[in-house]
Amino acid sequence: DTGVSQDPRHKITKRGQNVTFRCDPISEHNRLYWYRQTLGQGPEFLTYFQNEAQLEKSRLLSDRFSAERPKGSFSTLEIQRTEQGDSAMYLCASSPPGVWGEQFFGPGTRLTVL
Amino acid sequence: DQQVKQNSPSLSVQEGRISILNCDYTNSMFDYFLWYKKYPAEGPTFLISISSIKDKNEDGRFTVFLNKSAKHLSLHIVPSQPGDSAVYFCAATNYGGSQGNLIFGKGTKLSVKP
Repeated sequence: DTGVSQDPRHKITKRGQNVTFRCDPISEHNRLYWYRQTLGQGPEFLTYFQNEAQLEKSRLLSDRFSAERPKGSFSTLEIQRTEQGDSAMYLCASSPPGVWGEQFFGPGTRLTVL
Repeated sequence: DQQVKQNSPSLSVQEGRISILNCDYTNSMFDYFLWYKKYPAEGPTFLISISSIKDKNEDGRFTVFLNKSAKHLSLHIVPSQPGDSAVYFCAATNYGGSQGNLIFGKGTKLSVKP
């Protein structure tokens, strides 16, 4: 399977704990996006990488959130001191050079904060 | 404020008939629009897109129409098939000004009945 993969698929944590999610984009895709989707809503943009550079962050991305993409390959999204409001599906997407708009999404990581 | 609006949460259509999904946007800077389809437990999958320089784009059974003056687009599926049953998201972006991050509507759940 050469699609976008995300790990883990599900995460249950207690409030106050830190969690980290991983996204492996499609090989050769230089752009990588993180989105968050809550029930009844569409995906909301969180942050964007071009290669290893984080070029844009939404104001939704509070100080407790940090994302990295070392070496321009896989990416991690960490949430520190989780809150119940962080419960959501976290989606990763990638797109190849020279292609605007169309993004290839992974299956998402569902986070539940108790 | 919601920049991309899908005002119909659900739509039910008989197999073989036409499905019409609607989307409105408020930001006049948007110049590229996409439709994504999402099955349960999967990430969104790109379906079809349209640039603001066009008013129609067709791909097999799927056609997207754009009315810039009304800030409205629609997705036509004909003939509809049971496998088309999914949540459909309308998304928009500013091709020239953004890094490609997509603004999504809340989605419309399409049910195609045999």
